[in-house]
This record gives sequence, structure tokens and C-alpha cells, in this order.
Amino acid sequence: NAGVTQTPKFQVLKTGQSMTLQCAQDMNHEYMSWYRQDPGMGLRLIHYSVGAGITDQGEVPNGYNVSRSTTEDFPLRLLSAAPSQTSVYFCASSSHRSLAFFGQGTRLTVV
Amino acid sequence: SQQGEEDPQALSIQEGENATMNCSYKTSINNLQWYRQNSGRGLVHLILIRSNEREKHSGRLRVTLDTSKKSSSLLITASRAADTASYFCATDWGRAGGTSYGKLTFGQGTILTVHP
Repeated sequence: NAGVTQTPKFQVLKTGQSMTLQCAQDMNHEYMSWYRQDPGMGLRLIHYSVGAGITDQGEVPNGYNVSRSTTEDFPLRLLSAAPSQTSVYFCASSSHRSLAFFGQGTRLTVV
Repeated sequence: SQQGEEDPQALSIQEGENATMNCSYKTSINNLQWYRQNSGRGLVHLILIRSNEREKHSGRLRVTLDTSKKSSSLLITASRAADTASYFCATDWGRAGGTSYGKLTFGQGTILTVHP
């Protein structure tokens, strides 16, 4: 049972490049979300999804897009990377009234 | 922002001592959750306490919740060097007693160091 799998683990981008962070879960959870973690701060919610085809914005959505075509996958897209998006990104999944399971994170550096 | 606050920001203790971390939040909640993060790793859930509960235990962990003060505490008893990690509280955006949508607001965390 893999839980929540994020790829890649590390990535360096140049300003203006685009990329997709992948997230997959095998627990049949209906809820999935993306967070970013910056030094000295807790995790902040970027986007979330309550089911396939349904997504909504979190606290810091600007510069990011998401889609949820299947229950298992919830990719996060950076359309035009900026240095302010340098962070560690975590994907999480959960079910009704349950604790969240987190992936191991993607450490992104934008130069 | 609904983001809560945790204190202390850092806590350094000796093995065998108890560690207490506090969390405050701003709005009504569905539940409050505690997570642990080892350096450079993902978060691992520890315990969830619902808004209608006042205390919950899990092994060496004890969590309390005071909704009138909008605060919670996590107590780790008889700490071990392996407990060294960052600890985060998170509140659920769902309506009290209602459905969780998996949307969490995290505090800034407490860095716990347990010396052997």
C-alpha cells in the first residue's frame, strides 16, 4: 500500500518555465489537496478537491492550476515559475472526517 | 487567515521529561488535528480531536481541546530522542459537526528536541 506518492522529489526550474507536480493516492480517498511549506511557516493550502471533477482554491492559489480527472490523481501545474514559488510542496489525501495522509514532498527551487 | 498559532516555537528537553505544546486558533472548527514532521520528510498524522470532545489519548500522547478558549494542547509523556521533530496543529475548515472537506489550516509548528 503506497499511500500518497509525489513525483519528482526534487526539481530546479528557471524563471518562466512550466512544470507539473504529480500526486497519486491508492486509498480511494475523495479529498485531495496541495500545500506549500516555506521556512518558518506552517503549511498553506494552495488548491483542494472534494472529488473527481471538483476543485477549488485555497489560501494561496495564484500561479498554480489543478485538475482532478480521476479519484487517484491530483496534479499541480506551475504555468510560469517565479522565484517566490521556491518551496516544498506537499500533496495530501483524506476521506470523510478522517486524518490526512501526506506525500513525502517535492522540493522546488526556481532560479 | 484562519491560521493558528503555536507555542512555544521551540522546546528542548531531556529524555524522560514531558513535552507540552499549545495551539490557538481563530474560528469555529469541525475538528483539530496534530501532525508530526521529521526533518525533510512529509507529515504524519498523530491524533484527531473533534469539536465535541475535550480530551483524547493515544499511547504517550494526550490532546486537550477547549473550544471556549479556541485552544488545544499536545502532551507527550516520557519523551524519547526519537520524538525529536516538528509538531503542527491543524484545524479543519468544515462546519462544526459537519463534513470534513480535507481543507486544513496549519499552525507554524513547534520544534521539539529531546536530548538523550
